[in-house]
Amino acid sequence: GDSVTQMEGPVTLSEEAFLTINCTYTATGYPSLFWYVQYPGEGLQLLLKATKADDKGSNKGFEATYRKETTSFHLEKGSVQVSDSAVYFCALAGGFKTIFGAGTRLFVKA
Amino acid sequence: GAGVSQSPSNKVTEKGKDVELRCDPISGHTALYWYRQSLGQGLEFLIYFQGNSAPDKSGLPSDRFSAERTGGSVSTLTIQRTQQEDSAVYLCASSSPRGGASDTQYFGPGTRLTVL
Repeated sequence: GDSVTQMEGPVTLSEEAFLTINCTYTATGYPSLFWYVQYPGEGLQLLLKATKADDKGSNKGFEATYRKETTSFHLEKGSVQVSDSAVYFCALAGGFKTIFGAGTRLFVKA
Repeated sequence: GAGVSQSPSNKVTEKGKDVELRCDPISGHTALYWYRQSLGQGLEFLIYFQGNSAPDKSGLPSDRFSAERTGGSVSTLTIQRTQQEDSAVYLCASSSPRGGASDTQYFGPGTRLTVL
């Protein structure tokens, strides 16, 4: 069945460091791919998405490119801030079901 | 309302009791989802509604779990004869009228269930 694998955390970075959170998937067909974020004390919310191969989703300085050849959707940000500390979830949606990864907790130190 | 709401926010119950969790989706959203998030785990898909019908119930972990949606709006997730392994945060989400795979899901704050 469909699945999502993302790098285990926690990831600890200093402010202004470069961030990569790896996400790979297995799926039949052509799913849409998402990154959701859960800030401390808040609900889950969409960060960015891509609906077809080679699409790049971007938001708040974060980017991810839908790579069909490597079945990946890695999340990147060039310079993280303390306010980016959160749990990040990679997800795929095909048909009615959305499959989420286990989440990666990011800590950013000042 | 402005967003997805869920009630109660916290529920503590004894093993063997039944519980009902409620979700109010964003007005006009016809697609509604239930997920379970156990401590340190990702989100586990439970069930999806399009309108009042549930074309995909494959995620319900056992026959103790059931869900319904009436009037195309409010949904209730019921867990009968709760077990300690049911302890988790139960999240509800809704999405735009198209209800397709590329739609953004809007999540509620969740109900934290603790089974003693």
